[in-house]
Order: sequence, then C-alpha cells, then structure tokens
Amino acid sequence: GQSLEQPSEVTAVEGAIVQINCTYQTSGFYGLSWYQQHDGGAPTFLSYNGLDGLEETGRFSSFLSRSDSYGYLLLQELQMKDSASYFCAVLGAGSYQLTFGKGTKLSVIP
Amino acid sequence: DAGVIQSPRHEVTEMGQEVTLRCKPISGHNSLFWYRQTMMRGLELLIYFNNNVPIDDSGMPEDRFSAKMPNASFSTLKIQPSEPRDSAVYFCASSGLAGGPGYEQFFGPGTRLTVL
Repeated sequence: GQSLEQPSEVTAVEGAIVQINCTYQTSGFYGLSWYQQHDGGAPTFLSYNGLDGLEETGRFSSFLSRSDSYGYLLLQELQMKDSASYFCAVLGAGSYQLTFGKGTKLSVIP
Repeated sequence: DAGVIQSPRHEVTEMGQEVTLRCKPISGHNSLFWYRQTMMRGLELLIYFNNNVPIDDSGMPEDRFSAKMPNASFSTLKIQPSEPRDSAVYFCASSGLAGGPGYEQFFGPGTRLTVL
C-alpha cells in the first residue's frame, strides 16, 4: 500500500517563500505529483517529478529524492491567490493511479 | 476544450434513495477515475477505468457502490441505497497520456452529495 505524510497547515507572508514537504512509504513508486485545490474547487495539476532533482515551473518548483522517499513543493513570491490546499500524490508502480496525501492548507497573509 | 464535465453539481437526497453521478471525460483521454473527498478521509480513489474497462475497483467502499463506463465519453457512479455517511464531494478525473503515466489528471468540478 501507500502512505504519505505532509503538514496539515502552513501560514506564510505575501512575497515570501514557503516549502511544503512530503514523505511517502510505498510498495511501488513511479513518481510524485503535486496538485493545488482552492476551497470549493477541484484539484489541478501543478508539477511532477519522475526523477531525482528539481523541476521548476514559474514560481513553483518541486523536488524529489527517491533514496529518502521525500519530496517538496517550493512556492516563491507568494501571492494571496496561492492560499489553497496542496496535495502530494504518489504515482504507483502501475503508473496510472495516484494516491493522494491528506493535503496541506496554505494560508498567505498580508 | 470543455474539460471534464460532471452532473449534477449538487445532489441532496434522503437515506435509502438511489443516486447516480455522471461524468464526461475529456475527448481522447483513455483513463477515467472516480474519487471521493471528505474532511476525514481526504481524497480517495474509488475506481479506475482504462479504455472503458474497470481496472481497479478496490477503493469502492461496498456493494452499494457501482460504476460503469459504457463508452469512451460517459461514465456513471451509482449508490444504491444511499446512506448519510456517503455524503462527500465526488470527483471524476481523466488522463490522456496514451500509453504513458497518469501523473497529470484533469478533474471535473465535482458533485457535492448530501444524504439526509
């Protein structure tokens, strides 16, 4: 089976940088995805790491270390609109199915 | 592209009634997923279809739940009979990287189900 751990809540100041960590235990691993969900909305894809290292997409970056079963999402130049829940999700060995963490609620304050 | 379409957006029903949720995936996508989201349990995969065939239904909570995908453009999730503990937001998602990994899934707006 799969289990993922991420902080339940994080608060950060507008313009700052925040890092959301994710550790996982899995019987099969293909990669790690990150999704964003605003209150009342649907999850939307942010990034994916299939290999170790850093992937950068604009203000967002994601990192993966397979040997440590660890990844993180880095959000830079925080904006109020970044207030949302962020989910890490393991893509299992079958490579089609995602198992989601419980999510981290990010609050950006002025 | 209209994205993934779900209906209804909201459903309020009484315990014991049958509930049918509907989903139209993005045209050309070959994988379809049904999820349930609650505060307590988070986002749970219920069932996964590939090329209209159910591949993994191990997340379906019990026999009251059933899902079908009669063609590439339509899927249903049915709960019969419904119970208050089924109250949740149900999401349908599709993925279209043919032959590739499903790390990028496109979610519909969800159906908020309330069972009284």
